[in-house]
Amino acid sequence: GAGVSQTPSNKVTEKGKYVELRCDPISGHTALYWYRQSLGQGPEFLIYFQGTGAADDSGLPNDRFFAVRPEGSVSTLKIQRTERGDSAVYLCASSLTSDRAETQYFGPGTRLLVL
Amino acid sequence: RKEVEQDPGPFNVPEGATVAFNCTYSNSASQSFFWYRQDCRKEPKLLMSVYSSGNEDGRFTAQLNRASQYISLLIRDSKLSDSATYLCVVTTASSASKIIFGSGTRLSIRP
Repeated sequence: GAGVSQTPSNKVTEKGKYVELRCDPISGHTALYWYRQSLGQGPEFLIYFQGTGAADDSGLPNDRFFAVRPEGSVSTLKIQRTERGDSAVYLCASSLTSDRAETQYFGPGTRLLVL
Repeated sequence: RKEVEQDPGPFNVPEGATVAFNCTYSNSASQSFFWYRQDCRKEPKLLMSVYSSGNEDGRFTAQLNRASQYISLLIRDSKLSDSATYLCVVTTASSASKIIFGSGTRLSIRP
């Protein structure tokens, strides 16, 4: 079956602009996670959805970052007033349930470059 | 001190060799442990979960040492296709935010 998909695969923007990154999880997966990965580092947790609600957004670095999942499936990560330091690969993952032992399936990521 | 620490490597070993690396974690309340594999410019993929009793999957063996707070991954008879970055993942039961990835250990298998 189809895995997690993310669009766009690459995004180049200018400092100060607004960007939206989209994630389509595996069908039927109730939990959805956003991570950010910088070069040479492991993924860093940003936010986690259980269904439509953000169960934990404590990883969002500041209020420029926001994410939604209005129908409990597709999610959008929104970054306002982008800064050069936001450049990274943004990874989305989904799992069947929110059980901590559940396998997370990752999408290919969106490579964001802020000039 | 980082919550999850890994030796970044790279580990450069010949094909057929056995290689092992560890991952240490600082939170004694950690509950679940995993090894993920990440190929260059690709997404992480689950390699194996790590159980208290240790577990084996083909050439791969994972161990958990709660007393010393580390997990290990052993790869026997290494193949060229094992070249990748191996990420250690530690979670706690209390909060989804405590899904911590290590920075990864880079492994390169040479012919």
